[in-house]
Amino acid sequence: EAGVTQFPSHSVIEKGQTVTLRCDPISGHDNLYWYRRVMGKEIKFLLHFVKESKQDESGMPNNRFLAERTGGTYSTLKVQPAELEDSGVYFCASSQPLAGGFTSTDTQYFGPGTRLTVL
Amino acid sequence: AQSVTQLDSHVSVSEGTPVLLRCNYSSSYSPSLFWYVQHPNKGLQLLLKYTSAATLVKGINGFEAEFKKSETSFHLTKPSAHMSDAAEYFCVVSASKGYSTLTFGKGTMLLVSP
Repeated sequence: EAGVTQFPSHSVIEKGQTVTLRCDPISGHDNLYWYRRVMGKEIKFLLHFVKESKQDESGMPNNRFLAERTGGTYSTLKVQPAELEDSGVYFCASSQPLAGGFTSTDTQYFGPGTRLTVL
Repeated sequence: AQSVTQLDSHVSVSEGTPVLLRCNYSSSYSPSLFWYVQHPNKGLQLLLKYTSAATLVKGINGFEAEFKKSETSFHLTKPSAHMSDAAEYFCVVSASKGYSTLTFGKGTMLLVSP
């Protein structure tokens, strides 16, 4: 079974440009999460999809970030326009609730991350 | 509200010696606790999780952790370190209350010398 995949693995852009990160969850997983790790800081939650719906986007830093999950499969995270402080590693994770509903005990499976550098 | 404190940013051990990575948590609800490991250029991999069953949790690769409510701790241990254990380890908490996000510690880098 394929794990969570993310593309690209690295992205270097200039301030003001746009970047789109993609995440392909494990097939069949309804829950999809985005996290970010800024250098020297802890990994922080950005948002959570259940299928194609945003369950929680309380961690999104500002309106320059737009996440979508059309059709409930893969997800994209667009940063427009990028700022220097957006640099970091963006992780995606997916999970499938055991009992048909979301629980906080579910195991989240993480992708390798996209390292974004904004110059 | 919930938080996690990993008490050491770096831990160095020799191969064959015990490993202890310390974690303290805070949670308004009964917590679920996880340890994840990240090897270079890899995704985070679940080592083990505690979800209110047995307080001593056994994970993969010989790791285990003990949930101690009175000490609000969830330290990760392994009897004998292997070179392949060198990686970054994350202690993670979520509230066992239906829906809850994961809150990560800052990570502990484990260095294993021959």
